Amino acid sequence: EVQLVQSGAEVKKPGESLKISCRASGYSFTTYWIGWVRQMPGKGLEWMGIFYPGDSDTRYSPSFEGHVTISADKSITTAYLQWSSLKASDTAMYYCARCPHGFCTNTNCRTGGFDIWGRGTMVTVSS
Amino acid sequence: DIQMTQSPSSLSASVGDRVTITCRASQTISSYLTWYQQKPGKAPKLLIYAASTLQGGVPSRFSGSGSGTDFTLTISSLQPEDFATYFCQQSSTTPHTFGQGTKVEIK
Repeated sequence: EVQLVQSGAEVKKPGESLKISCRASGYSFTTYWIGWVRQMPGKGLEWMGIFYPGDSDTRYSPSFEGHVTISADKSITTAYLQWSSLKASDTAMYYCARCPHGFCTNTNCRTGGFDIWGRGTMVTVSS
Repeated sequence: DIQMTQSPSSLSASVGDRVTITCRASQTISSYLTWYQQKPGKAPKLLIYAASTLQGGVPSRFSGSGSGTDFTLTISSLQPEDFATYFCQQSSTTPHTFGQGTKVEIK
């Protein structure tokens, strides 16, 4: 069974660092892009970026670039989303999801959306 | 960024109704359009990709159409389990932006 298992809920203070994880199983981890999506409380979905474990190619949304880092460890088929300095506005549910049919050039990526989703990791940032 | 605009933002409908949700892109995206269903407290679920291709396991009452900038999601006969929020997403040009969502509520 193809699945993405995310790490548990986190409660942090502003300025703290955080790394959440997404463990993939049931498919070839290095041949699919994997992405992260933010959903703030009561709000819609925001595309943060995608990562290709095969060669570590990473594409960020301009809205998130410089504030988060997407990475992965191929040896344990796990993707990560990390912050070096959290803000209260980072309070949200974060989903990882797999991209089928991904094709990227230097300047753009086209994919088939997200076909497999993790259950989400709730991150709460509060002083 | 490409802006994705869904309409309506919410609708009330009865079981058995035919429901149509539209999604408009601010520039052409060919058929790189995906529809998702999200229920409260759950992750989104892929319904339709490539604008009109039904994901495996999704009931045939769901259908999608369109290309270029204008797309529709149709539920031919609304069922109790279909009350949820629906999102479109373009995956033609990064960042792969989502529509704001359409909440389908019970009338």
